[in-house]
Amino acid sequence: KAGVTQTPRYLIKTRGQQVTLSCSPISGHRSVSWYQQTPGQGLQFLFEYFSETQRNKGNFPGRFSGRQFSNSRSEMNVSTLELGDSALYLCASSLQGALTGELFFGEGSRLTVL
Amino acid sequence: GEDVEQSLFLSVREGDSSVINCTYTDSSSTYLYWYKQEPGAGLQLLTYIFSNMDMKQDQRLTVLLNKKDKHLSLRIADTQTGDSAIYFCAEWLNQGGKLIFGQGTELSVKP
Repeated sequence: KAGVTQTPRYLIKTRGQQVTLSCSPISGHRSVSWYQQTPGQGLQFLFEYFSETQRNKGNFPGRFSGRQFSNSRSEMNVSTLELGDSALYLCASSLQGALTGELFFGEGSRLTVL
Repeated sequence: GEDVEQSLFLSVREGDSSVINCTYTDSSSTYLYWYKQEPGAGLQLLTYIFSNMDMKQDQRLTVLLNKKDKHLSLRIADTQTGDSAIYFCAEWLNQGGKLIFGQGTELSVKP
């Protein structure tokens, strides 16, 4: 069974640009969550989607958004990039969604903002 | 509040046992998790424990939970160099549907 796939793995952007990251969950998993990992703040929850609806949201500004498609694939978008958005963005999928927290993570997309 | 604390570093010799400790604050947490992250990789789910359990053993891994003190530990028996990684403790918050992670403990295993 294929794991969680995130693309692209690495990308470099400049301040003010926007970026879209993609996540394909494990087959059959309908919940997709996104986390941001930085050396200073650690791992922080961005949002969670289930059946194309955002169910939960962390404390990030509106520049961070996401969506989920009917095939459960998810994208997250960050607009007007800031230097502080440089991070590893991790996507996780789950069979039961927001019930147990048993999340399966992808390898992440490493974003560098210059 | 939402806070999970871990010590940042642990160094052990190959073959010894490693014990990584974690404290959490939310008494309503139902599940507590241990994840492993190797350099350049995502998070790998190692094991978890349900809040009504005191202990869970899974091969070389033993998880102990002291709910009264909100203390969680992960013991790795016969630690190998391949166990060198960062280990994250996380509590699951039903309200908010999210994992709250600790800062991670970097385990270094010396031959």
